[in-house]
Amino acid sequence: DTEVTQTPKHLVMGMTNKKSLKCEQHMGHRAMYWYKQKAKKPPELMFVYSYEKLSINESVPSRFSPECPNSSLLNLHLHALQPEDSALYLCASSQDGSGVGYQPQHFGDGTRLSIL
Amino acid sequence: GENVEQHPSTLSVQEGDSAVIKCTYSDSASNYFPWYKQELGKRPQLIIDIRSNVGEKKDQRIAVTLNKTAKHFSLHITETQPEDSAVYFCAASMNNAGNMLTFGGGTRLMVKP
Repeated sequence: DTEVTQTPKHLVMGMTNKKSLKCEQHMGHRAMYWYKQKAKKPPELMFVYSYEKLSINESVPSRFSPECPNSSLLNLHLHALQPEDSALYLCASSQDGSGVGYQPQHFGDGTRLSIL
Repeated sequence: GENVEQHPSTLSVQEGDSAVIKCTYSDSASNYFPWYKQELGKRPQLIIDIRSNVGEKKDQRIAVTLNKTAKHFSLHITETQPEDSAVYFCAASMNNAGNMLTFGGGTRLMVKP
């Protein structure tokens, strides 16, 4: 079965802290995504990595810094976040980000982030 | 950019009845339309998808129809069960745009036993 694993499941941090969210997939997918989801809202795309290169940044503030160390891992580094950044952060992956073919995105369970 | 509207925002049905959720999209270049089910506190789960060269697709109790001319697509769930209760999101994307999904606002489906 498809599986995207995210850690931690919950994270509480202060506005001056630095933390990282991690995402891992072992499906051989070459495209990975970060989404932000507020309560009762749809997921909003933040970043897309295709073949370990950042291909899309949806005008996300610089306090969110993505990193793709290899084809299986995706990180989201957090620094100086604001209370309004509290949300569920979802990672997803798909076969690749080339835009060729129809490529379902498979989501992880997310990290629920609370900023104090 | 693409804009996806989804209706209704909430839907309550009796167990065994059918449920229909409708979405419209704005960009005629969109050609891939997935549907996700999200239970409370869980991941969005792909339940069915349709490509623009197909008008209808079925998978057991779930079906999706697409009208490209009118730019709308619908999810049909027959013989609903309490475990179908969840939030359903439609989405649209262009496969030449890095697989950027634009989601509808979501429909909260409640199936009463």
